[in-house]
Amino acid sequence: GAGVSQSPSNKVTEKGKDVELRCDPISGHTALYWYRQSLGQGLEFLIYFQGNSAPDKSGLPSDRFSAERTGGSVSTLTIQRTQQEDSAVYLCASSLGLAAYEQYFGPGTRLTVT
Amino acid sequence: GENVEQHPSTLSVQEGDSAVIKCTYSDSASNYFPWYKQELGKRPQLIIDIRSNVGEKKDQRIAVTLNKTAKHFSLHITETQPEDSAVYFCAARDSSYKLIFGSGTRLLVRP
Repeated sequence: GAGVSQSPSNKVTEKGKDVELRCDPISGHTALYWYRQSLGQGLEFLIYFQGNSAPDKSGLPSDRFSAERTGGSVSTLTIQRTQQEDSAVYLCASSLGLAAYEQYFGPGTRLTVT
Repeated sequence: GENVEQHPSTLSVQEGDSAVIKCTYSDSASNYFPWYKQELGKRPQLIIDIRSNVGEKKDQRIAVTLNKTAKHFSLHITETQPEDSAVYFCAARDSSYKLIFGSGTRLLVRP
């Protein structure tokens, strides 16, 4: 079946602009996770959803970052007033549920802030 | 919160040799330890995982061991091949369902 998809695959934006990144999880997966991967670095947890609820937002780097999920499916990560340090690959993953251990990753969105 | 350390950061082996990557974690409540392989420009792919009630798991040339007492786990790749060259990440899932990742190991298998 179809895997996790993300759009856009690449996004170049000017400093100070807002961006929206989209994640479409595997059908039937109720848990969805966002991570950030800076160049040559590991993956940094940002936020997760169970259904439409985000119980833990502690990983969001600042109040410029927000995320939502509607209909228990698609999620959007929004970064307001982008800064150069926001440049990274933003990865989304999904799992059958929080109790399901395996997380499957999307291809990521490469964000470049100029 | 959970903290995962991974060593070495780079590893170069001759084709056919074994490769071992080690990780330690800090939260004794962590109960799930996956390993991901990431090729350049691609998404992380789950290659093997282990749960806290198991000490060792094998899948063909890949094995993972877990020592809960010492809070460390390791990835073992035997008979390495050039296509094993990639960045490998370990992770630990803490009690709040988050995956906390190590910093990665760049494995190079020399033909």
